[in-house]
Amino acid sequence: AQSVSQHNHHVILSEAASLELGCNYSYGGTVNLFWYVQYPGQHLQLLLKYFSGDPLVKGIKGFEAEFIKSKFSFNLRKPSVQWSDTAEYFCAVNPLSGYSTLTFGKGTMLLVSP
Amino acid sequence: SQTIHQWPATLVQPVGSPLSLECTVEGTSNPNLYWYRQAAGRGLQLLFYSVGIGQISSEVPQNLSASRPQDRQFILSSKKLLLSDSGFYLCAWDENYGYTFGSGTRLTVV
Repeated sequence: AQSVSQHNHHVILSEAASLELGCNYSYGGTVNLFWYVQYPGQHLQLLLKYFSGDPLVKGIKGFEAEFIKSKFSFNLRKPSVQWSDTAEYFCAVNPLSGYSTLTFGKGTMLLVSP
Repeated sequence: SQTIHQWPATLVQPVGSPLSLECTVEGTSNPNLYWYRQAAGRGLQLLFYSVGIGQISSEVPQNLSASRPQDRQFILSSKKLLLSDSGFYLCAWDENYGYTFGSGTRLTVV
Protein backbone atom coordinates (compact mmCIF):
# COMPACT_ATOMS: atom_id res chain seq x y z
CA ALA A 1 0.00 0.00 0.00
CA GLN A 2 1.10 3.51 -0.69
CA SER A 3 2.13 5.92 2.04
CA VAL A 4 2.79 9.64 2.24
CA SER A 5 5.34 11.32 4.47
CA GLN A 6 5.32 15.00 5.33
CA HIS A 7 8.58 16.02 6.90
CA ASN A 8 7.47 18.77 9.22
CA HIS A 9 4.51 18.69 11.57
CA HIS A 10 4.79 22.37 12.47
CA VAL A 11 6.38 25.27 10.62
CA ILE A 12 6.57 28.83 11.89
CA LEU A 13 7.49 31.64 9.52
CA SER A 14 7.40 35.40 9.43
CA GLU A 15 5.48 37.17 6.72
CA ALA A 16 7.38 37.49 3.42
CA ALA A 17 9.54 34.45 4.21
CA SER A 18 9.75 31.71 1.63
CA LEU A 19 8.03 28.41 2.21
CA GLU A 20 8.82 24.87 1.25
CA LEU A 21 6.89 21.94 2.68
CA GLY A 22 8.27 18.51 1.98
CA CYS A 23 6.24 15.56 0.81
CA ASN A 24 7.46 12.10 -0.17
CA TYR A 25 5.41 9.13 -1.17
CA SER A 26 6.09 5.45 -1.47
CA TYR A 27 4.63 3.81 -4.54
CA GLY A 28 6.45 2.45 -7.55
CA GLY A 29 3.86 3.16 -10.22
CA THR A 30 2.20 6.18 -11.72
CA VAL A 31 0.43 8.49 -9.31
CA ASN A 32 -1.69 11.58 -9.12
CA LEU A 33 -0.50 14.02 -6.47
CA PHE A 34 -2.34 16.66 -4.51
CA TRP A 35 -1.92 19.34 -1.91
CA TYR A 36 -4.92 20.25 0.20
CA VAL A 37 -5.22 23.13 2.63
CA GLN A 38 -7.42 23.55 5.66
CA TYR A 39 -7.73 27.10 6.99
CA PRO A 40 -8.78 27.50 10.62
CA GLY A 41 -12.45 26.64 11.00
CA GLN A 42 -12.87 25.75 7.34
CA HIS A 43 -13.09 22.52 5.40
CA LEU A 44 -10.40 20.97 3.26
CA GLN A 45 -9.80 22.66 -0.06
CA LEU A 46 -7.75 21.59 -3.04
CA LEU A 47 -4.66 23.76 -3.42
CA LEU A 48 -3.15 22.15 -6.51
CA LYS A 49 -2.79 18.81 -8.25
CA TYR A 50 -0.45 17.00 -10.58
CA PHE A 51 -1.68 14.42 -13.08
CA SER A 52 0.86 14.52 -15.90
CA GLY A 53 2.91 16.88 -18.06
CA ASP A 54 4.90 19.76 -16.65
CA PRO A 55 6.17 18.62 -13.25
CA LEU A 56 5.95 22.16 -11.92
CA VAL A 57 2.32 22.89 -11.16
CA LYS A 58 0.83 26.13 -10.03
CA GLY A 59 -2.11 26.36 -7.69
CA ILE A 60 -4.21 28.99 -6.05
CA LYS A 61 -2.89 31.86 -3.93
CA GLY A 62 0.62 31.78 -5.38
CA PHE A 63 1.44 28.23 -4.36
CA GLU A 64 3.31 25.83 -6.59
CA ALA A 65 4.64 22.31 -6.29
CA GLU A 66 7.26 20.34 -8.14
CA PHE A 67 6.98 16.65 -8.86
CA ILE A 68 10.39 14.97 -8.89
CA LYS A 69 9.75 11.40 -9.93
CA SER A 70 13.24 10.15 -9.13
CA LYS A 71 12.89 11.37 -5.57
CA PHE A 72 9.22 10.40 -5.14
CA SER A 73 8.67 13.93 -3.95
CA PHE A 74 6.05 16.61 -4.42
CA ASN A 75 7.18 19.60 -2.37
CA LEU A 76 4.98 22.64 -1.93
CA ARG A 77 6.48 26.11 -2.28
CA LYS A 78 5.55 29.74 -2.02
CA PRO A 79 8.09 32.57 -2.49
CA SER A 80 6.57 34.92 0.07
CA VAL A 81 4.02 33.82 2.64
CA GLN A 82 1.29 35.95 4.14
CA TRP A 83 -0.41 35.83 7.50
CA SER A 84 -3.51 34.49 5.73
CA ASP A 85 -1.55 31.38 4.70
CA THR A 86 -1.75 30.13 8.28
CA ALA A 87 -3.38 26.74 7.87
CA GLU A 88 -2.77 23.02 7.86
CA TYR A 89 -1.44 21.58 4.63
CA PHE A 90 -1.90 17.99 3.52
CA CYS A 91 -0.11 16.14 0.77
CA ALA A 92 -2.00 13.24 -0.84
CA VAL A 93 -1.34 10.57 -3.44
CA ASN A 94 -3.65 8.50 -5.60
CA PRO A 95 -2.02 5.59 -7.47
CA LEU A 96 -3.28 4.98 -10.98
CA SER A 97 -3.72 1.24 -10.73
CA GLY A 98 -7.13 -0.34 -10.67
CA TYR A 99 -9.38 1.19 -8.09
CA SER A 100 -7.45 3.13 -5.52
CA THR A 101 -8.15 5.72 -2.91
CA LEU A 102 -6.49 8.92 -1.84
CA THR A 103 -3.87 8.52 0.86
CA PHE A 104 -2.96 11.56 2.92
CA GLY A 105 0.11 12.58 4.83
CA LYS A 106 -0.25 13.57 8.46
CA GLY A 107 -0.27 17.24 7.63
CA THR A 108 1.91 20.25 8.32
CA MET A 109 0.62 23.08 10.44
CA LEU A 110 1.93 26.39 9.11
CA LEU A 111 1.82 29.43 11.35
CA VAL A 112 2.74 32.74 9.76
CA SER A 113 3.41 35.57 12.16
CA PRO A 114 2.68 39.13 11.01
CA SER B 1 -23.02 22.34 -9.59
CA GLN B 2 -22.00 19.54 -7.30
CA THR B 3 -22.23 19.99 -3.56
CA ILE B 4 -21.75 17.77 -0.58
CA HIS B 5 -23.63 18.09 2.68
CA GLN B 6 -22.74 16.71 6.05
CA TRP B 7 -24.62 16.90 9.31
CA PRO B 8 -24.54 17.53 12.11
CA ALA B 9 -21.59 19.90 12.32
CA THR B 10 -20.89 19.06 15.94
CA LEU B 11 -22.03 16.24 18.16
CA VAL B 12 -21.41 15.30 21.76
CA GLN B 13 -22.38 11.76 22.64
CA PRO B 14 -21.93 9.61 25.75
CA VAL B 15 -19.88 6.44 25.67
CA GLY B 16 -22.03 3.48 24.65
CA SER B 17 -24.56 5.52 22.70
CA PRO B 18 -25.27 4.94 18.99
CA LEU B 19 -24.08 7.17 16.19
CA SER B 20 -25.41 8.14 12.80
CA LEU B 21 -23.69 10.71 10.61
CA GLU B 22 -25.16 11.49 7.24
CA CYS B 23 -23.61 12.68 4.02
CA THR B 24 -25.42 13.53 0.82
CA VAL B 25 -24.16 14.65 -2.55
CA GLU B 26 -26.01 16.78 -5.07
CA GLY B 27 -25.41 17.38 -8.73
CA THR B 28 -23.83 14.08 -9.65
CA SER B 29 -24.84 10.48 -10.07
CA ASN B 30 -23.12 7.28 -9.01
CA PRO B 31 -20.32 9.07 -7.17
CA ASN B 32 -17.58 7.28 -5.29
CA LEU B 33 -18.02 8.29 -1.66
CA TYR B 34 -15.62 8.21 1.25
CA TRP B 35 -15.55 8.61 5.01
CA TYR B 36 -12.35 9.93 6.54
CA ARG B 37 -11.45 10.65 10.14
CA GLN B 38 -9.09 13.48 10.94
CA ALA B 39 -7.25 13.38 14.23
CA ALA B 40 -4.71 15.93 15.40
CA GLY B 41 -1.23 14.94 14.31
CA ARG B 42 -2.47 11.93 12.39
CA GLY B 43 -3.73 13.48 9.19
CA LEU B 44 -6.68 11.92 7.44
CA GLN B 45 -7.42 8.26 7.82
CA LEU B 46 -9.68 6.56 5.30
CA LEU B 47 -12.42 4.63 7.08
CA PHE B 48 -14.79 3.48 4.36
CA TYR B 49 -15.43 3.97 0.69
CA SER B 50 -18.29 3.08 -1.58
CA VAL B 51 -18.47 2.75 -5.34
CA GLY B 52 -22.22 2.22 -5.46
CA ILE B 53 -25.43 1.49 -3.58
CA GLY B 54 -24.93 -1.21 -0.98
CA GLN B 55 -21.21 -1.49 -1.76
CA ILE B 56 -18.98 -0.70 1.19
CA SER B 57 -15.26 -1.27 1.61
CA SER B 58 -13.68 -0.93 4.99
CA GLU B 59 -10.12 0.22 5.27
CA VAL B 60 -9.64 -0.02 9.01
CA PRO B 61 -11.43 -2.52 11.26
CA GLN B 62 -13.02 -0.69 14.14
CA ASN B 63 -16.14 0.18 16.02
CA LEU B 64 -17.76 1.93 13.07
CA SER B 65 -19.78 0.83 10.07
CA ALA B 66 -21.02 2.51 6.91
CA SER B 67 -23.99 2.10 4.65
CA ARG B 68 -25.09 3.48 1.31
CA PRO B 69 -28.83 3.13 1.07
CA GLN B 70 -29.17 5.50 -1.88
CA ASP B 71 -26.92 6.59 -4.71
CA ARG B 72 -26.09 9.95 -3.17
CA GLN B 73 -26.31 9.08 0.50
CA PHE B 74 -23.55 7.72 2.68
CA ILE B 75 -24.04 7.03 6.38
CA LEU B 76 -21.49 6.41 9.11
CA SER B 77 -22.77 4.52 12.13
CA SER B 78 -21.88 2.92 15.38
CA LYS B 79 -23.93 0.81 17.74
CA LYS B 80 -21.89 1.76 20.82
CA LEU B 81 -19.47 4.65 20.79
CA LEU B 82 -16.07 4.48 22.46
CA LEU B 83 -14.02 7.36 23.77
CA SER B 84 -11.52 6.67 21.01
CA ASP B 85 -14.18 7.40 18.38
CA SER B 86 -13.86 11.11 19.10
CA GLY B 87 -12.58 13.03 16.12
CA PHE B 88 -13.42 15.01 13.06
CA TYR B 89 -15.25 13.01 10.42
CA LEU B 90 -15.21 14.04 6.80
CA CYS B 91 -17.24 12.81 3.89
CA ALA B 92 -15.85 13.17 0.39
CA TRP B 93 -16.58 12.28 -3.18
CA ASP B 94 -14.11 12.08 -5.99
CA GLU B 95 -14.19 14.21 -9.07
CA ASN B 96 -11.56 13.77 -11.74
CA TYR B 97 -9.28 11.98 -9.29
CA GLY B 98 -9.45 14.82 -6.83
CA TYR B 99 -11.66 14.74 -3.79
CA THR B 100 -14.21 17.29 -2.66
CA PHE B 101 -14.81 17.27 1.06
CA GLY B 102 -17.80 18.12 3.15
CA SER B 103 -17.56 20.53 6.04
CA GLY B 104 -17.15 17.71 8.54
CA THR B 105 -18.64 16.62 11.84
CA ARG B 106 -16.80 17.19 15.10
CA LEU B 107 -17.68 14.21 17.32
CA THR B 108 -16.83 14.26 20.99
CA VAL B 109 -17.53 11.12 22.98
CA VAL B 110 -17.77 11.79 26.70
